[in-house]
Amino acid sequence: DVKVTQSSRYLVKRTGEKVFLECVQDMDHENMFWYRQDPGLGLRLIYFSYDVKMKEKGDIPEGYSVSREKKERFSLILESASTNQTSMYLCASSFRRSDSSYEQYFGPGTRLTVT
Amino acid sequence: GEDVEQSLFLSVREGDSSVINCTYTDSSSTYLYWYKQEPGAGLQLLTYIFSNMDMKQDQRLTVLLNKKDKHLSLRIADTQTGDSAIYFCALKGGYQKVTFGTGTKLQVIP
Repeated sequence: DVKVTQSSRYLVKRTGEKVFLECVQDMDHENMFWYRQDPGLGLRLIYFSYDVKMKEKGDIPEGYSVSREKKERFSLILESASTNQTSMYLCASSFRRSDSSYEQYFGPGTRLTVT
Repeated sequence: GEDVEQSLFLSVREGDSSVINCTYTDSSSTYLYWYKQEPGAGLQLLTYIFSNMDMKQDQRLTVLLNKKDKHLSLRIADTQTGDSAIYFCALKGGYQKVTFGTGTKLQVIP
C-alpha cells in the first residue's frame, strides 16, 4: 500500500520562528511536491523536486525553501513564519505510469497555525 | 499561469446524479484529472482523461471534456452519502507540474 506521511497533523508556531515540515514517501517516486490549501483557492504549488538535491519553484515560493537530501524525504522550511502562512500544507509524490500520465499520492496534511 | 476554476459548492439528493464542472485557460494540457478529498485526508485520484479523448466512463463516474470550450466535467451517477467530499480538477502542463482547481464541495442530502 502506497504511503506518504507527514511529520505532524497539527502545528502551532509563533511569528518569526523557523518551521520545518517533513514528508516521507515509501514508493521510490522521483517527484515530490509541497502545496498549500486554502478555502476558495484550492491547492497552490509551493515547490517541487524531480530528483535528489533538485528543486523547482512553484507558483508561490516566497517565504519558503525546501530540501531533498534523500529520495524518500522532502522538507519544507519556513525561514521566519508569518501569520499569512497559516494554512493546510499537503505533500505529494508522483510517478510516471506506462501511459505517460502521472498520479500524485498525497499525505494527510499538516494544519499549521502561526500566531 | 494556468487558471482552473470550479464552483465552490454543490448540493444533491442521495440517488440523484451530480455534475461537477471545471473550466481552464491553458489548452496545452495533456492529462486532466479528478481528485477527491474526504474530510481530514489528503487527495486521492479518482479518474483521468487524455486530452485527445472526449469522454471516459469508469463505473459511476463519467468524465466529459470539451476542448473547444475548455470545459471538463465529472458526473457521478446514483450519488451516495459516501460521495460527500471536495472534488478537485487538475491539469498536467509542462514537466511534472500539475495545476489544481479551486475545489467543489459536494454535499449529499440523505
